[in-house]
Amino acid sequence: SAVISQKPSRDICQRGTSLTIQCQVDSQVTMMFWYRQQPGQSLTLIATANQGSEATYESGFVIDKFPISRPNLTFSTLTVSNMSPEDSSIYLCSVVPPNTEAFFGQGTRLTVV
Amino acid sequence: AQSVTQLDSHVSVSEGTPVLLRCNYSSSYSPSLFWYVQHPNKGLQLLLKYTSAATLVKGINGFEAEFKKSETSFHLTKPSAHMSDAAEYFCVVSDPSNTGKLIFGQGTTLQVKP
Repeated sequence: SAVISQKPSRDICQRGTSLTIQCQVDSQVTMMFWYRQQPGQSLTLIATANQGSEATYESGFVIDKFPISRPNLTFSTLTVSNMSPEDSSIYLCSVVPPNTEAFFGQGTRLTVV
Repeated sequence: AQSVTQLDSHVSVSEGTPVLLRCNYSSSYSPSLFWYVQHPNKGLQLLLKYTSAATLVKGINGFEAEFKKSETSFHLTKPSAHMSDAAEYFCVVSDPSNTGKLIFGQGTTLQVKP
């Protein structure tokens, strides 16, 4: 299993600013995943973060808007840049340890005003 | 491409009655399928998973799901609903590249009436 600490748990931000979300795992994992859950919607994968290489972004998501860092095998950050109200969502990180299922952080509830 | 379709966006049952949440999948490969539950203001919790072993999968809290390849379905059931089952439920399929990427269905909101 894996225990994920994600912070902040929630934030209210002004439009045009940036927020960095942190995700800490209690074990080493090869890949970490960042998802977005817009209000009343399902989860959509933003990007996959490998340690030591650039993140791989899904269609519709770009590095300039959602830069990701992965400095080691237990930590990753996602930044939401130049925020607008449309970025108001829950952002979740996820890991999949070997031979087991995915585990998720508690999520960061972001409101942009 | 992999995809899942949850056939009901909202299901309402009375406490003590059976629950059925429907999910159909599309996959070119033998898929790994999951059901996750999300309670209000809480994180995602795995209910159960299918990974090509027994087709009837038992999960936590009395939930189970049956993988039916002929119908490309993976419906979630529970014999008797409890008030605490009220939540959002997601049917999920894993990416065939086995990277750990997940593809989520649209979600089904389960309401349990007293």
